[in-house]
Amino acid sequence: GENVEQHPSTLSVQEGDSAVIKCTYSDSASNYFPWYKQELGKGPQLIIDIRSNVGEKKDQRIAVTLNKTAKHFSLHITETQPEDSAVYFCAASKHNDYKLSFGAGTTVTVRA
Amino acid sequence: GAVVSQHPSWVICKSGTSVKIECRSLDFQATTMFWYRQFPKQSLMLMATSNEGSKATYEQGVEKDKFLINHASLTLSTLTVTSAHPEDSSFYICSARVPGGASGGTEQFFGPGTRLTVL
Repeated sequence: GENVEQHPSTLSVQEGDSAVIKCTYSDSASNYFPWYKQELGKGPQLIIDIRSNVGEKKDQRIAVTLNKTAKHFSLHITETQPEDSAVYFCAASKHNDYKLSFGAGTTVTVRA
Repeated sequence: GAVVSQHPSWVICKSGTSVKIECRSLDFQATTMFWYRQFPKQSLMLMATSNEGSKATYEQGVEKDKFLINHASLTLSTLTVTSAHPEDSSFYICSARVPGGASGGTEQFFGPGTRLTVL
């Protein structure tokens, strides 16, 4: 089955700086890569996703890049703000399978 | 994005009792819903895939007789934890797949979760 590895497990950044989280996947058939933000005691919230036919996608301060050859994808958050503090999960799934395989999560802390 | 609700948001029960958790898609019809379990400071673990009108598909190691799933309509799936024990205490989260959409039906939106505590 699919194995998704996520690094780092914790990340502390100064407000205004950028944060980068990296994930690798094992199954070359995976073609959908969402990122979720989870605040304490709440369900995960989809913040951005990318399909395998696209190399990069951006939504305001958030961007995701995908390298299919190397089987890795990354989340970039620019101009971080205290409200960006949360746990972020990457995931991967295959077409017509729909089951998500999650990374272990990254706890991001933005220092004011 | 699409809205998924869960009820209750938290529940405390005695050991040996059964607890039902509801998952609803509020503004779309979901032919497929998923149930996850999350322990503190850990990732989400998929328990089962719930398909409307058919039996759920359980992941390896998940007891289907203990975690009963019913997906009787396109907007409602229920998870019943039968004969709950303290080790079943966890955060249970459902998600619903959005058919069609920009990502070809692969987008999943999650509910807010249900905190189950078994005494």
